[in-house]
Amino acid sequence: DTGVSQDPRHKITKRGQNVTFRCDPISEHNRLYWYRQTLGQGPEFLTYFQNEAQLEKSRLLSDRFSAERPKGSFSTLEIQRTEQGDSAMYLCASSSLMDGGIHFGNGTRLTVT
Amino acid sequence: GENVEQHPSTLSVQEGDSAVIKCTYSDSASNYFPWYKQELGKRPQLIIDIRSNVGEKKDQRIAVTLNKTAKHFSLHITETQPEDSAVYFCAAPYNQGGKLIFGQGTELSVKP
Repeated sequence: DTGVSQDPRHKITKRGQNVTFRCDPISEHNRLYWYRQTLGQGPEFLTYFQNEAQLEKSRLLSDRFSAERPKGSFSTLEIQRTEQGDSAMYLCASSSLMDGGIHFGNGTRLTVT
Repeated sequence: GENVEQHPSTLSVQEGDSAVIKCTYSDSASNYFPWYKQELGKRPQLIIDIRSNVGEKKDQRIAVTLNKTAKHFSLHITETQPEDSAVYFCAAPYNQGGKLIFGQGTELSVKP
């Protein structure tokens, strides 16, 4: 399967701990996105990269969140000093500039206790 | 602002009937409009999309229509089947296509 891959699938952490998630996009896709989804809501935009450049970050995103895509391939999303409100599904997606459609991975479900 | 409004939030139909979900967007520069289907516990999957140079696109039982003047686009599912039951999301790009903003979702239930 050459789809978007995310790791881990589930993460349970205690409030105040740091967590890091990884995303491997579809290999020929140069855009990579991070979204967050809570129950009953649509995916909420967090940030996106074109190659290694981070082009936009949501204004709603706390400075506890940081994302990197150092070589323009895989990406990591780190949340520092986690809070219970961070509990959500974190979805990664990728796209090519040509077709526009973004394709999601299976997500990382974060539970902060 | 960056906003995509989606209606209805829930929709229940009998098997074989049609279902229509509507979205409005605010960025007049938006030129690409995808629809996603999300089954319980699974990732959103792209099912159909349309670009602003056409007014309608069809793929078997699903179709999408676009009215750029009114900034509306709709998903039409004909001859619904129980396996069509899922949450459907529309989306539109903002900031010249840099990111997709999603609607709030429509939970479709198809009763056998």
